[in-house]
Amino acid sequence: GESVGLHLPTLSVQEGDNSIINCAYSNSASDYFIWYKQESGKGPQFIIDIRSNMDKRQGQRVTVLLNKTVKHLSLQIAATQPGDSAVYFCAENIYQKVTFGTGTKLQVIP
Amino acid sequence: ETGVTQTPRHLVMGMTNKKSLKCEQHLGHNAMYWYKQSAKKPLELMFVYSLEERVENNSVPSRFSPECPNSSHLFLHLHTLQPEDSALYLCASSHSPSPGLPTEQYFGPGTRLTVT
Repeated sequence: GESVGLHLPTLSVQEGDNSIINCAYSNSASDYFIWYKQESGKGPQFIIDIRSNMDKRQGQRVTVLLNKTVKHLSLQIAATQPGDSAVYFCAENIYQKVTFGTGTKLQVIP
Repeated sequence: ETGVTQTPRHLVMGMTNKKSLKCEQHLGHNAMYWYKQSAKKPLELMFVYSLEERVENNSVPSRFSPECPNSSHLFLHLHTLQPEDSALYLCASSHSPSPGLPTEQYFGPGTRLTVT
């Protein structure tokens, strides 16, 4: 069955450094991937998405990389700021059904 | 603000109570979702409504009863809940997904439910 998992439950990063959050998925038929950010007391917020026919997509300070060969997804945050502290989820879409990972908590050290 | 609101934000109820959670979206979407979020577990999809029809029910106990009167509103009626039902209940909305055209979901802030 499909599964989405994150390599590290908690990631601590110095303010100003780059952050990399990883995600593994198991179903090669997944065609769409999304990263969400969830701050304390709030619902998940869409950050960036990528379709399976791409291997990289860039947004403002964020980049998502997709490696379909090893079924791996990563979120890179440039110049991490205190406001980036949150839990980050990856989600995969297969046959119009979305499956979420457990999340990685990003802690930014000032 | 994501354009999806939920009320109440916090709810404490006894096992014999009946309560309802409300969700409203102002994004012009035509699909709405209920999720359960428990500590250290992935988001669990409970129900999906597309064009006001329930299209998915993920083996959710009957003590949870959804209602979607129109494309902007979604309710989750609760009765005879158990302590293990305590969790954050999230509502989301999106454009109706179609083959080859997946779409992101927009989430509300959630209702923190505690069952005593």
